[in-house]
Amino acid sequence: GQQVMQIPQYQHVQEGEDFTTYCNSSTTLSNIQWYKQRPGGHPVFLIQLVKSGEVKKQKRLTFQFGEAKKNSSLHITATQTTDVGTYFCAGSGNAGNNRKLIWGLGTSLAVNP
Amino acid sequence: EAGVAQSPRYKIIEKRQSVAFWCNPISGHATLYWYQQILGQGPKLLIQFQNNGVVDDSQLPKDRFSAERLKGVDSTLKIQPAKLEDSAVYLCASSPWTSTDTQYFGPGTRLTVL
Repeated sequence: GQQVMQIPQYQHVQEGEDFTTYCNSSTTLSNIQWYKQRPGGHPVFLIQLVKSGEVKKQKRLTFQFGEAKKNSSLHITATQTTDVGTYFCAGSGNAGNNRKLIWGLGTSLAVNP
Repeated sequence: EAGVAQSPRYKIIEKRQSVAFWCNPISGHATLYWYQQILGQGPKLLIQFQNNGVVDDSQLPKDRFSAERLKGVDSTLKIQPAKLEDSAVYLCASSPWTSTDTQYFGPGTRLTVL
């Protein structure tokens, strides 16, 4: 079945360093969503990517969708302590049962002040 | 716009007891999801409703878990009887129509089974 994998599982950075998490799907995706979950909180939607090769930016966050629509990345420039949390990608396929959203296991980011 | 409401926020029970969670989605959202999130893991979809019909319950342990959304609005998730491994946060989410839409999550119910 369709699987979505995220790497790394954990990342520890110094404040001001950059951070990237990668999301890889075993099948072609119709879209991919990114969510952030703060410690003790619930997932909060960040962005959705739909087009092949799409790049979207939100302040210090840059999201990319691969040309083959099988992978995606989230890059944070100059991390801040407010970026702490777990970042999940979730993708859905094109048809039938593959249209349901499949979640990655997340990348937990810790930021040292 | 009010968000997704869930209650209770916390629940502690002993194994073999029963428990029920309630969720009220964002007004007008057709699709409602129940997820189980075990500490350190991603959300695992238990059941997805579209209006009052079940779209996906392939990962719902049907021998002990049940869920309903009778009028296509709020929903309850029940566990009977609970096991130790059911300790987790139960998240409810809603989206306007399909699972490819943005999902809006409630605060979750943290269940501890002793």
